[in-house]
Amino acid sequence: GAGVSQSPRYKVAKRGQDVALRCDPISGHVSLFWYQQALGQGPEFLTYFQNEAQLDKSGLPSDRFFAERPEGSVSTLKIQRTQQEDSAVYLCASPDFLPGINTGELFFGEGSRLTVL
Amino acid sequence: AQSVTQLDSQVPVFEEAPVELRCNYSSSVSVYLFWYVQYPNQGLQLLLKYLSGSTLVKGINGFEAEFNKSQTSFHLRKPSVHISDTAEYFCAVSMVRDDKIIFGKGTRLHILP
Repeated sequence: GAGVSQSPRYKVAKRGQDVALRCDPISGHVSLFWYQQALGQGPEFLTYFQNEAQLDKSGLPSDRFFAERPEGSVSTLKIQRTQQEDSAVYLCASPDFLPGINTGELFFGEGSRLTVL
Repeated sequence: AQSVTQLDSQVPVFEEAPVELRCNYSSSVSVYLFWYVQYPNQGLQLLLKYLSGSTLVKGINGFEAEFNKSQTSFHLRKPSVHISDTAEYFCAVSMVRDDKIIFGKGTRLHILP
């Protein structure tokens, strides 16, 4: 596609409910990042994929958070048993640079805004 | 590990006045530095970047930034701001040859008429 597409754009969940957020990166981009942006904060790194391999998941805040990219394109971020502190905008980004040749251009989606009641 | 500090959470400035948004980083190894901008109701986009070479880098919309290794800073400047520059600006850093990019907390630029 022309850009990074994320769905749903808005999600309201009751505490304890499971949610799944989808990211469709720019076609052909090898790498994919997930970030969490709380209100008034900068994007916080969650996890990083190269193709289908999850190379870094050091930013996932708890074992309730799980991400996958089974075929190396679309990625899903799943949050189990959501808590109020999970309320944030979840951003997906795919870079135009090849792995290991970072030139810094991350293309971001518009994000999925999660509100946990 | 690297980190980024943006000391000012908000900066008000009159239209057509100059502005500087401050960014300091911490890293024990060589880094790449970036400024991203988030306009209201839009996604983040790259404003400019420093990878190597000249320490003064120019970006889109008349912005520029200077990499100062001794002061570990990468401040963003514009000589004359316009109402359309109203946005949140994020400084970011990554280690050389590491794809992970770490963002600061952001500075909201508020243009006064």
